[in-house]
Formats: sequence, C-alpha cells, structure tokens
Amino acid sequence: NAGVTQTPKFRILKIGQSMTLQCTQDMNHNYMYWYRQDPGMGLKLIYYSVGAGITDKGEVPNGYNVSRSTTEDFPLRLELAAPSQTSVYFCASNPTGSVEKLFFGSGTQLSVL
Amino acid sequence: EDQVTQSPEALRLQEGESSSLNCSYTVSGLRGLFWYRQDPGKGPEFLFTLYSAGEEKEKERLKATLTKKESFLHITAPKPEDSATYLCAVLPSSSASKIIFGSGTRLSIRP
Repeated sequence: NAGVTQTPKFRILKIGQSMTLQCTQDMNHNYMYWYRQDPGMGLKLIYYSVGAGITDKGEVPNGYNVSRSTTEDFPLRLELAAPSQTSVYFCASNPTGSVEKLFFGSGTQLSVL
Repeated sequence: EDQVTQSPEALRLQEGESSSLNCSYTVSGLRGLFWYRQDPGKGPEFLFTLYSAGEEKEKERLKATLTKKESFLHITAPKPEDSATYLCAVLPSSSASKIIFGSGTRLSIRP
C-alpha cells in the first residue's frame, strides 16, 4: 500500500538548471497538490489539480509548472532554478478535495546553489 | 486576508506535563479546520478535522477543540513519542481546495 510516492528524496541543483519532481499516488484520488515548506514555516500551496487535464495555481506558482495527464501522476517542473526555490517539496492527494484530509508523500529536499 | 497563526512556536514539556497548543485563524468563513502531526524528515500526518464551533475530537492523549476564532490541541500526560511539529490548517468557505497552513508548533517531550 504505497500511498503517495515522491522522487527524488534529495537533489542539489545549480542556478539556472531545470528538473522535474515526480509524484504518483495509487489511491485513485482526483485531487492532487504541490506544497513547499521553508524552514520554520508552514506549507505554501504551489499548484493543485482536481483531475486529469485540470490544474490551477496556488499561493506561490511563479517559477513552477505542472501537468496532469493521468489520475496517478502529478509532476512539478522547475525551470531556471533559483536559490529562492531551495525548500522541501511535498505532494499530497485526497479523494474529492474540500474538507477531506490530505495524504502526503515523504517530501523532496531541494537545494539550489 | 485569510490567515492562520500558531503559538507557541516551540514548547518543551516534561513527560506527563499536560499543555495546550493554540491555532488562531482569520477567515471569511470556515469550511474545516485540520490538525496534522509532522515528524522530522516526513510528510504531515492527519490527526483531526473540526467543522463547527463547539466541536471536539479525541485521539489517545490528544484532544482538539474549536471556537469561532481559534482551535486548541490539548495534550494530556504526554510521552516522548508525542514529540513532533503540530500543524494547524484551515479551509476557508471562499475556497474549493486552497487549504491554508500555519507555521506549526514544535513540541518536545523530555523523559
């Protein structure tokens, strides 16, 4: 019973490089989310999706892109990485959004140097 | 602007010493308030959802309560394994899915 799986767990990027953070869930959840968590801070919503082919911006979308071609996968793309994107990234999902609880992955720790 | 504030930022307790964590919120309307537990290096783990003022929920040594302006997470006779960061989050009535998280309270329980 895998739940929400994120890869990689750790990554170091140089300024200007690009990468994709992978997220997959095996619970057939329609809603998926990407959050970032800076040290000592709460989680900030980057993007979310209510189903395959539908995505929308959260609080802090600049510098990121997402796609949702299947129910299971919700990759997060960083273009032209900047030091301000150094953070821990969490993917989450739930069945129908709204007041349902979120199921989180274990996170990706990203450093941009 | 919708906002969630948690206090204290950090709390150190002796094993068995009961206390409470606070989550105050400012939203135009509340659809739900959530409590999560986060262990170091892991994603948050769901604890409770509260929907309306006066509601209470319990799980082992934890009890969550809700008023119109704040929520409390009461910890009774805590054990070292209760050490974690506790996150509060709200879903405003104006939002379909944009949950707002507080910055958390780091709880440390000494044996």
